[in-house]
This record gives sequence, structure tokens and C-alpha cells, in this order.
Amino acid sequence: QKEVEQDPGPLSVPEGAIVSLNCTYSNSAFQYFMWYRQYSRKGPELLMYTYSSGNKEDGRFTAQVDKSSKYISLFIRDSQPSDSATYLCAMSDYNQGGKLIFGQGTELSVKP
Amino acid sequence: GAGVSQTPSNKVTEKGKYVELRCDPISGHTALYWYRQSLGQGPEFLIYFQGTGAADDSGLPNDRFFAVRPEGSVSTLKIQRTERGDSAVYLCASSLRAGSANTEAFFGQGTRLTVV
Repeated sequence: QKEVEQDPGPLSVPEGAIVSLNCTYSNSAFQYFMWYRQYSRKGPELLMYTYSSGNKEDGRFTAQVDKSSKYISLFIRDSQPSDSATYLCAMSDYNQGGKLIFGQGTELSVKP
Repeated sequence: GAGVSQTPSNKVTEKGKYVELRCDPISGHTALYWYRQSLGQGPEFLIYFQGTGAADDSGLPNDRFFAVRPEGSVSTLKIQRTERGDSAVYLCASSLRAGSANTEAFFGQGTRLTVV
């Protein structure tokens, strides 16, 4: 079993839809939780990060962490075609120097 | 430069050959990470440097893989006797310092390695 599990999709939604992306993990030492967006043939770029449990909002994006359930989510409101990309969850135990453990990535397509 | 630079962007090599992949991190970033991303998968950690020293090389798959960062800036990932299974995108990331809260890692665009 992988440390971080993420549904690979692909996920296709109409423009304006609310998108929910999720990851589960097994390592209770993870303290930092991140969502990266990766466009085709590009490197990942950081969207959101959260420390420990709780919610964090940034514009149309909301990240949620539930450490008791070992479950994290990213919500995208009013999705746009420009949101079409692969979304990667990543986690870190900063006692290990910031090494990131990634999920498989979910491929999202937002149709106009 | 403004971001993490990786060269070459694409590399095709024959099985059994030696390859070097270069990463030029953001100026002033002391931590540097190498990841490998296979098709349809998330990046997998290989090694990270804090300054010149390899602080954690636990992700290197075998002794054919080696990385250096002699002056604490540019890093080179070296792969000996390449195998077809080494084909992947090799990503480099840098951050101001390793293991610190609120320290974002910035990724390069990767080197796409194809072993034929």
C-alpha cells in the first residue's frame, strides 16, 4: 500500500462546477499538506499548503485536512477551463527535511 | 535566473549509456531536491541536498544513480548503465532551506529521459 493514495481520475466537469479532489494517507507523522497543480510538460506549482488539521481558503480554492481520518481535500469553486491540469497532493514530515511524498495525481478537465 | 532551470529538457539515450542531468536552483536556495516522475504517476523522491552535502539519498533506486552538488548551487544527477526502466521525467526543486515551515519548494520543468 502506498503512503499516499489519490484517485487518478480522469475527472471531467462542466465550467462553473464545484470540484472535489481527495487524498488519503497512512503516515501519522505527516504535518504539512500541500496541493500542487501540474500542467502538461511543466513542473508542479504549489497551490495551497496547510499545517496540521483545519481549513484554508484562497480565492476559489479551499484545502481541508482531517488528521484524525488521514484525509485531505481540495475544493475548486466556479471551475474554469484554465483549471484543467493534473492536481497532486503532497505531504511532508518536516523532521525529514522537507522531502515530499506525492499522491498519484488526479487529471482534471473543465469543459467550456 | 528567475526559476529553477533544468537541462537538457529532453534526453534520448541508448540502453547502457551514461547520462548527466543538470539542475540550476533559484539563487540563494540552500536546499535542493531531485524527484522522478513516471507517466501517470506522482513525483517520487530521490535525494536532497542541504548545501553541498546529500542529507537524504534514501530514494535513489540503486547504485547506478548518483548526485552531486559540489559548490552548494548547481546539482548534477548521474545515471550509469541506463536501463529502459529509467525512462521518466526527472524533476528538480529548490527551497530556501530544508525542513522549515512555510518554505515552498519551487520545481523546474524537468528533464524527460528516454532510454531506447
